[in-house]
Parts: sequence; C-alpha cells; structure tokens
Amino acid sequence: AQTVTQSQPEMSVQEAETVTLSCTYDTSENNYYLFWYKQPPSRQMILVIRQEAYKQQNATENRFSVNFQKAAKSFSLKISDSQLGDTAMYFCVFRGLSTDKLIFGTGTRLQVFP
Amino acid sequence: DSGVTQTPKHLITATGQRVTLRCSPRSGDLSVYWYQQSLDQGLQFLIQYYNGEERAKGNILERFSAQQFPDLHSELNLSSLELGDSALYFCASSVAYTGGPTDTQYFGPGTRLTVL
Repeated sequence: AQTVTQSQPEMSVQEAETVTLSCTYDTSENNYYLFWYKQPPSRQMILVIRQEAYKQQNATENRFSVNFQKAAKSFSLKISDSQLGDTAMYFCVFRGLSTDKLIFGTGTRLQVFP
Repeated sequence: DSGVTQTPKHLITATGQRVTLRCSPRSGDLSVYWYQQSLDQGLQFLIQYYNGEERAKGNILERFSAQQFPDLHSELNLSSLELGDSALYFCASSVAYTGGPTDTQYFGPGTRLTVL
C-alpha cells in the first residue's frame, strides 16, 4: 500500500523568506502523480502544485516549486518570497495512475511571520 | 471558491442519530468524492461516484452510505452516529475518473459534524 510521510509537523518562516517542506512516499508503482494541497484557516482545500512521476522536470507555479527525486521517493515543496497568506496546513498527496483516490500525508503546519 | 458546494456547513447531533450531508459538484464534473478529516485519522478517502455509479471505496464504515443522483449531486448518509464520527467531511469533484494529473479534484468547503 502507498504511504505518504511528512516528518515536519510544524514550520515557521519570516515574510519574504524561503521555506522548504519535506515529503517522502512509498509505492511500488513506476508512474503516479504527486500533489501539494494547502488548507488555510478557512479549511478550504486548495491545490498548490502537481507533478507527474514520468516527467523529470520539476513543476513550478509562481512562487511554488517542487524538488522531485523519484529514486529517493522524495517530493519537497519550496515556497519563495513567503507571504502572510501562505499560512496554512500543507498536505503532500499521492495518487496512483489507475485510481482517483488521493492519499494524504499528515500535513505540515506553516506559519508565516511578519 | 472552488465551485463545489456543501450543505450544511455545520451539524451538531447526538449519538445514535442519522444525518445526511449534501454536495453539489462543479458544473461539468461527473465524479464526486467524499473524504473524512479527523484529528486521529487525518484525511481519508471514503468513496467515489462517477455519473451515478460507485467507482471506488475507501475506508468507509458500514454505517455510512452514499449515492449520486441523476443531477449529479451527492449525499453522504451517516447513521448510528458515534462520538468518533465527529470530523470535517469534504466533498470533491472532478471532470472524469482515472484521469490524468490535470483532472484535478476540487474540494468543497466541508461540513463540520459534531456528535455529542
């Protein structure tokens, strides 16, 4: 069974600084999808970024980028120029190729300080 | 706003009772998913429907059931409620099933269920 591990329960960063959230996963599949979702205090679940395992190029969305290391089964999220609105719980999420079921990590609570 | 609506926002009930949570997917989305977020279990997939048919089942208790109606809205029924059922229940929708990475699951705002 696939598992997703986020070993940092909480992190904090100062506004305008850069922070990296870690994620590792376990799967026997060769192709799959990885996502980062954020859940701000409003509780809404919002997609931040996605990565296809068959693509070597790391995904980037504005200030958000990932470092995808397939062999190490590592998928970290880098947030550049952190903003107060980035304060949220961040979930690393796995999805296999033949299923729509999302498997969530336990989350990292990120606090951005002014 | 994701376009997915869920009602009610909050629900407080007693043990042993039955409740129904409602979800309307984004316009054009045929798949609906239910997830449970609790303090001890984290976020777990419960069940998926596609165009009225059950597509996949996760860790859904026998006391729970769901359905998707012809107008594509979905309902999650929780019966014989226990204290441990208190959680945030999310509905998500996507265009298709077993799609590519661009077939994003968009989440509703959730229904917070409190069982007293």
